[in-house]
Amino acid sequence: AQTVTQSQPEMSVQEAETVTLSCTYDTSESDYYLFWYKQPPSRQMILVIRQEAYKQQNATENRFSVNFQKAAKSFSLKISDSQLGDAAMYFCAYRSGWSYGGSQGNLIFGKGTKLSVKP
Amino acid sequence: EPEVTQTPSHQVTQMGQEVILRCVPISNHLYFYWYRQILGQKVEFLVSFYNNEISEKSEIFDDQFSVERPDGSNFTLKIRSTKLEDSAMYFCASSGELAGGNEQFFGPGTRLTVL
Repeated sequence: AQTVTQSQPEMSVQEAETVTLSCTYDTSESDYYLFWYKQPPSRQMILVIRQEAYKQQNATENRFSVNFQKAAKSFSLKISDSQLGDAAMYFCAYRSGWSYGGSQGNLIFGKGTKLSVKP
Repeated sequence: EPEVTQTPSHQVTQMGQEVILRCVPISNHLYFYWYRQILGQKVEFLVSFYNNEISEKSEIFDDQFSVERPDGSNFTLKIRSTKLEDSAMYFCASSGELAGGNEQFFGPGTRLTVL
């Protein structure tokens, strides 16, 4: 079974600085997808960034980028120029790339990292 | 922009009562999911639904739970006889095309409190 581990329960960053959130995962599959979701106090889950395992290039979305190390099964999220609105819980998630019988495959989440941004 | 909606936002019930949590997925989506998040813990998969039947379910999704798509828009999660440990945030999600990386869009959640 696949597992996702986030070893940092809490992180703090100064506004305008850069922070990196760690995520490791375990799988025997070769085809899969990795995600970072943001959950602000409103509790709604928002997709931040997505990485396909078959792509070597790291995904980037504006101030958010990932460092995907497939061999090490590591998938960290870097937030540059941190803003107060970035304060939230961040969840790393895994999804199998294998689809069968109409199943899209469920997301497997880590326990999350609570990010605080100091003004 | 299309979004997943959920009602109610907060449901309080007595242990042993039945509850129905409602979700309206994005209109052209075909795949539907329920997840739950016990306070302070990680988000856990419950069930996925496609073509009017369950595609996958976790071990959490026992006989107390059922899902239904009663019409073309709603997707419901029923808990027949609630237990204290069912208190959690329940998230509905939907996705569109059959592609592994396709985004699952989450609703705002229903907070279920079982007394």
